[in-house]
Amino acid sequence: DTEVTQTPKHLVMGMTNKKSLKCEQHMGHRAMYWYKQKAKKPPELMFVYSYEKLSINESVPSRFSPECPNSSLLNLHLHALQPEDSALYLCASKDRNTEAFFGQGTRLTVV
Amino acid sequence: LAKTTQPISMDSYEGQEVNITCSHNNIATNDYITWYQQFPSQGPRFIIQGYKTKVTNEVASLFIPADRKSSTLSLPRVSLSDTAVYYCLVGDPHGGATNKLIFGTGTLLAVQP
Repeated sequence: DTEVTQTPKHLVMGMTNKKSLKCEQHMGHRAMYWYKQKAKKPPELMFVYSYEKLSINESVPSRFSPECPNSSLLNLHLHALQPEDSALYLCASKDRNTEAFFGQGTRLTVV
Repeated sequence: LAKTTQPISMDSYEGQEVNITCSHNNIATNDYITWYQQFPSQGPRFIIQGYKTKVTNEVASLFIPADRKSSTLSLPRVSLSDTAVYYCLVGDPHGGATNKLIFGTGTLLAVQP
C-alpha cells in the first residue's frame, strides 16, 4: 500500500466553525507533512512531524492546529479560519530513504 | 536549503522530447535532486531522483552535470497527458523530517496536439 489517504476531499466551512482534516498512511513512514496550496502556486510547507512529534512549524497561524495521534495518522484542526485560508491542503509522508508520497488533498473553502 | 530556479512555463507538441532545466547553485554535498509532477487539484507525484551524472527510469531521465549546480529533466515523446506542473526539489533524502521538501515555482508544461 503506497497511498496517502486524505479526507474529506472537499470541505466548506464558515468562519466560526471548527473542522478537522485527516491524513492516513500505512507505509510505516516516520515523517508526515502538511502543505497549503493556493491556485497556480507551489505547495507551501506548514508543519512536519517526525516520530509523532512536531518538528517543524513554518510560522503557521494558531487557527491551524496539527495533531499526530499515532504513526499512521495526521490531523489538521481548523478553527476561526478566514476566507483567504481557502486552498488545497496536502498531506505527505516520507521515510529516510524514500521519496515523498502525497495525498490527493482536501479542497477547503471558507465562507 | 538550496533554492531552485526553473522556467515558469514551456510549450511542446505530442511526440516531442521535452527538457526542463533547474538551477540550484548552492546545492549541498548531501543533497539530491528530485522531480515531482502535479496535475490540477491533485497531490504531487514523484518522477525521478538523482545525485550525479544520469538517472533513467520508465518515464524520464535526469541529467546532472559534474558541478551539480543544475539538472535537466528529460521527458521522451510527450503526450497530452503529460501536461502538468513539474517541480524540482533539492535536499537530503536521508535527512528524515529535517528534509523540509521546499517547492520552488515549478514549470507548467503545456503539450499541444
